[in-house]
Amino acid sequence: AQKITQTQPGMFVQEKEAVTLDCTYDTSDQSYGLFWYKQPSSGEMIFLIYQGSYDEQNATEGRYSLNFQKARKSANLVISASQLGDSAMYFCAMREGLSGNTPLVFGKGTRLSVIA
Amino acid sequence: GAVVSQHPSWVICKSGTSVKIECRSLDFQATTMFWYRQFPKQSLMLMATSNEGSKATYEQGVEKDKFLINHASLTLSTLTVTSAHPEDSSFYICSARMPSGTPGEQYFGPGTRLTVT
Repeated sequence: AQKITQTQPGMFVQEKEAVTLDCTYDTSDQSYGLFWYKQPSSGEMIFLIYQGSYDEQNATEGRYSLNFQKARKSANLVISASQLGDSAMYFCAMREGLSGNTPLVFGKGTRLSVIA
Repeated sequence: GAVVSQHPSWVICKSGTSVKIECRSLDFQATTMFWYRQFPKQSLMLMATSNEGSKATYEQGVEKDKFLINHASLTLSTLTVTSAHPEDSSFYICSARMPSGTPGEQYFGPGTRLTVT
């Protein structure tokens, strides 16, 4: 079974508007971390935001916020005030456990296109 | 901030030859590094977990004799694609986490694009 599900292969958003990228996850662990990465055409993986399973507040990093709904096992990324430079692939990922010795498991990604 | 480098950034090789890709943590020690492969328009798939001083742990379906991983020091892991074939052409990315860092600190290298002709 897929551990990370991103149901939107592609999304379009108007410049300066907000957009939500969906992510649901599946784990039986109580301790886990959720990540969002941006991958532009250059291929580098750019870390955007992290949410720990025990964090009570939704994570925010500048224009990025993570809408964490634990009971629904969802971790949607919200990008506010979209910019043309936000056009890229976005990957949701999960690490089970809180140590660094377990790898990230990635979803299939969502391609975001920002329109002027 | 912590940086992970990869070398080379891209490589073209002939079928049957071997290619070595280096992953270095530049300003921190990484006891564990991860190797991922990404085919065009697809997600990152974990290939193996590289542990300093011990054998790598490979994911199901990844041939350990074809993808040799050596984590000889706390700052260097290498992936060698042996007897490369065109189907091995892919984007290879490594990642590492600072042992003393917060759980969210997972750093990725810039990736290596391998083309086998």
